[in-house]
Amino acid sequence: NAGVTQTPKFQVLKTGQSMTLQCAQDMNHNSMYWYRQDPGMGLRLIYYSASEGTTDKGEVPNGYNVSRLNKREFSLRLESAAPSQTSVYFCASSEQGSDGYTFGSGTRLTVV
Amino acid sequence: QKEVEQNSGPLSVPEGAIASLNCTYSDRGSQSFFWYRQYSGKSPELIMSIYSNGDKEDGRFTAQLNKASQYVSLLIRDSQPSDSATYLCAVGASGGSYIPTFGRGTSLIVHP
Repeated sequence: NAGVTQTPKFQVLKTGQSMTLQCAQDMNHNSMYWYRQDPGMGLRLIYYSASEGTTDKGEVPNGYNVSRLNKREFSLRLESAAPSQTSVYFCASSEQGSDGYTFGSGTRLTVV
Repeated sequence: QKEVEQNSGPLSVPEGAIASLNCTYSDRGSQSFFWYRQYSGKSPELIMSIYSNGDKEDGRFTAQLNKASQYVSLLIRDSQPSDSATYLCAVGASGGSYIPTFGRGTSLIVHP
């Protein structure tokens, strides 16, 4: 019973490089989310997908794009990485928007 | 801007004591409230959800909600060193999106 799986767990990028963070859930949840967590800033929502086929911006969407590939998968893309995007990224899912979340184990991204 | 406030701590309690963690929020129409536990270097884990005024108990954990005072708390009875972690309060948005705002967390240390 994997829950929410994120890949990769660690990544170092050079400024200007691109990458995609992958997230998949096996709980048949409708809603999926991408957060970043920075020291002293707490969890901040980047993008979310309330249901398959929909995506919406969160609090800090600039510099990111997302794709809800199917009900299971929700990816986050950095087109041109910047040092300000150095952070820990968490994917999460919930059955409905009003439910609590199940989080993935996170991706620790460093942009140099 | 919806706000969720928590004392950053650290809150230090002896083993066996009751730990009391508090959270206030600004969105008067919020209907869903959550507590997450996050160990250092790990992802948040949902430990309690509460939707109605009053107390909700689950094992050693009790969540208390007072919507009139815009206050939610988490009590941990018989605290154990393994409870040492950061506890995040999350408050669901009103108006239909339910997207929660997370507090920055309270660090709890339970010493033997």
